Amino acid sequence: DAGVTQSPTHLIKTRGQQVTLRCSPISGHKSVSWYQQVLGQGPQFIFQYYEKEERGRGNFPDRFSARQFPNYSSELNVNALLLGDSALYLCASSLNRAPYEQYFGPGTRLTVT
Amino acid sequence: KNEVEQSPQNLTAQEGEFITINCSYSVGISALHWLQQHPGGGIVSLFMLSSGKKKHGRLIATINIQEKHSSLHITASHPRDSAVYICAVEYGNKLVFGAGTILRVKS
Repeated sequence: DAGVTQSPTHLIKTRGQQVTLRCSPISGHKSVSWYQQVLGQGPQFIFQYYEKEERGRGNFPDRFSARQFPNYSSELNVNALLLGDSALYLCASSLNRAPYEQYFGPGTRLTVT
Repeated sequence: KNEVEQSPQNLTAQEGEFITINCSYSVGISALHWLQQHPGGGIVSLFMLSSGKKKHGRLIATINIQEKHSSLHITASHPRDSAVYICAVEYGNKLVFGAGTILRVKS
C-alpha cells in the first residue's frame, strides 16, 4: 500500500501570492492533519479533518484554510503569503480521530521570497 | 512555558552507548507519541503510549502519567540512529510537539 503522499515536494512563491498544497492519505484512513514546521523547530498543528469536517484548528490566522474531499484527500490553502510562511508543511493521516497513530507524508517545502 | 519540553536539545554519543531522551509535558493527555525525523523532513512514528512501557527492537519508550514524563531509550546505539527525535502529546484533536532532540551517533 502507498503511504501518505503530498504534492508538490517543493514550491517557491512570492509574498502576497496564494498557494495550495495537496495530501492523499493512506487508503482507509479517514482523518488528515496538517502541520507547519519552521526550520529548527518542532511541527505546529494547523488543522485536523475527519469525515470531511474540520475537527480541530491550531493558532494560525484565517489566511490558512483547508478542506477534505469525499475520497479523504485534503488541500491546505494559504493566502497572502508572508516570508514567515516559509516552512515544511506536513500532512499526516490516521484511521480515525485522536488518539491514533499518525502516518506522515514527506512534506512540501514552501519558500516565500 | 512550552507545553512539551524535551531534553537534551543535542546529544552526541559513541556507537554502542545507551541513550536516553526525556520529555515532560504540562497538560492532561490522551496519548504521547515518539517520532523520528531524518534530514530531508520525513517523519516516522516510533511509539504511541498512553501508559506503561513499549519496546521495539533496540528502542524502549516509557511513560509516567502521574509525573507527566516520558523517556525514549536506545540500546546499543548505531550511527544509523542519528536523527531528530520528537516527543508529541495528544489532547483534544491535536498533537503538540516538542522542539526535538538532535542525536548524533559517532562510529
